[in-house]
Formats: sequence, structure tokens, C-alpha cells
Amino acid sequence: GAVVSQHPSRVICKSGTSVKIECRSLDFQATTMFWYRQFPKQSLMLMATSNEGSKATYEQGVEKDKFLINHASLTLSTLTVTSAHPEDSSFYICSASPRWGGTNEKLFFGSGTQLSVL
Amino acid sequence: RKEVEQDPGPFNVPEGATVAFNCTYSNSASQSFFWYRQDCRKEPKLLMSVYSSGNEDGRFTAQLNRASQYISLLIRDSKLSDSATYLCVVGGGKLIFGQGTELSVKP
Repeated sequence: GAVVSQHPSRVICKSGTSVKIECRSLDFQATTMFWYRQFPKQSLMLMATSNEGSKATYEQGVEKDKFLINHASLTLSTLTVTSAHPEDSSFYICSASPRWGGTNEKLFFGSGTQLSVL
Repeated sequence: RKEVEQDPGPFNVPEGATVAFNCTYSNSASQSFFWYRQDCRKEPKLLMSVYSSGNEDGRFTAQLNRASQYISLLIRDSKLSDSATYLCVVGGGKLIFGQGTELSVKP
């Protein structure tokens, strides 16, 4: 099946630093990529959707200036957590779809990034 | 009301038991339905899509009732390796994940 590579798998950083997470589709063109956040014992919450060539669409309550998303190409999307604080500590997961919109079919997930902000 | 709501867990069952997970969704316009499995601190993995006619894959059976906006997953003859969190996912505009139900299968 399709493979989505996400890295780093784990990041520990000091408060105030910025962290970049990469998500790559290895064997298909990811027209649409999604970024999720998951706190312990809670569900995946969609943060934003990015379609290649367009600006990301952020979900309500997600600060677009804090969580910068760049869908640089059909195989790469990055999420940058700017000026990270301890409350940003969470599990971040990307997913990709070969279709524009791509919400009515199964998604291919990256392996996730555990961010811990000290 | 949550958009997708699942049974609160955890479910602790012995090996060989049959276990059922329930899920309800609020948006009647939803178009696609899935069950995912998630192991601790790992990415969700698709277990099966769910269709109105019901579908079965080995020990796993999924059912969808559009009129009641209800989805179920049945696991028969549970194995130790079935221990995980099971996520009900509903699509139609965007995918909405339920909060998950944790299953622990004991020897």
C-alpha cells in the first residue's frame, strides 16, 4: 500500500523554539494533506487541510500563525510549530490523499511525531 | 453533542471473547464510514470500511445503520494481538474521528 513518511518521530525542545515536522508521500502524489493533533487518551483532531498549490485551511481554534503549513510539492508537506510552549506538547500526525479534497476514502497516515516542549 | 461518539472504554476481555463496539454520528449527510485501529503512540491503521449492507473480514464484522446513524464493529474470538484502541471515523467534507474505545484482551 501507499507509504507516507513522517519525521522526526520524536522531538524534545525548549520553550520558545520552533519545530518543523515533515510529511512525505513516497509512492504517490499527495494532492491533499491533513495535519492532526492528538492529546493523550483523546481523539485525533484535524488541525488543517492543505491542497497542493493552495493555502492551508485551518480548523476553528487553530492559530495559523503558530502552526505554519507549507505544501511545497505534491510529495511534501511541512508543519512548523513556531515558538513552541509546553501546552503544544502532543502527538502530531499527517495523512495524505491522492485526491483533491480526499475526505471520503481511506487515508494514508504518517507514523506520527511526539513533541515534548520543556 | 459530539459529531462522532463511541462507547467509553476500556473493554477488558479474555481471549476468545466476542466484543462489540458502538458508534453514533450526528451528521446525517455523512458519506463514508470506517473503523481504524490505533496502537499506543502509533498512527491509525485502517481496519475496514463500513457499508450499509454490512461487511465481514475474517473475525471482524462491521455494520452501518444510516437511519439510526449508528455504526458497529464486532470482533469474534478475540486475540491478544487485538488489544488496541478502535476508532470510528466518519467522512463527508472532512474525516471526523471518534474518541476511540480501548480494548485489552487478557490471556
